Amino acid sequence: ETGVTQTPRHLVMGMTNKKSLKCEQHLGHNAMYWYKQSAKKPLELMFVYSLEERVENNSVPSRFSPECPNSSHLFLHLHTLQPEDSALYLCASSLRQGDYEQYFGPGTRLTVT
Amino acid sequence: DAKTTQPPSMDCAEGRAANLPCNHSTISGNEYVYWYRQIHSQGPQYIIHGLKNNETNEMASLIITEDRKSSTLILPHATLRDTAVYYCIVRVGRGTGANNLFFGTGTRLTVIP
Repeated sequence: ETGVTQTPRHLVMGMTNKKSLKCEQHLGHNAMYWYKQSAKKPLELMFVYSLEERVENNSVPSRFSPECPNSSHLFLHLHTLQPEDSALYLCASSLRQGDYEQYFGPGTRLTVT
Repeated sequence: DAKTTQPPSMDCAEGRAANLPCNHSTISGNEYVYWYRQIHSQGPQYIIHGLKNNETNEMASLIITEDRKSSTLILPHATLRDTAVYYCIVRVGRGTGANNLFFGTGTRLTVIP
């Protein structure tokens, strides 16, 4: 166990649905991250939050909307997704923003039909 | 960031030490060596990192050569649960821009019963 939990672990949604992914870290870290991992592609950084403030948004389409209500919780709200958005979505945290010692959750396997 | 080179695959007998090499001949003075692993269908897991001295924690040991151009990750008593892809990454200690972890292709370690 890494101290980072994600729910749900698996999600199947249609292109018109709205769903949310949840991440919680129990490590007392100040930075949280959303990553996307597609088959046979490198890990892609989506969003970075430091002390609940978004510090990075790597050209992610607006159909992905992050929310960080406090330093322990991170959400990714999904709406009108495309089939190519199917991937493993990973949450991570680190003590400070920019640290490369990051602790990952188990991920949410998302399938868009 | 310095480029790393790792063998694509290795086997190790259960209970024996697994020695995973990494070449990083263009590493600069302020870059650290990080190791992560990813077990199939799970999130990446941070293992260890170091700058120039050898490091040890509860998971592994990291041996860095004196010229810092290569390193070896040692799992002292490999178990079947250590079967995973192991990634060697060279980065400065904290990112000043993109917080991206680029994993490359890594070494697929298979622990054999």
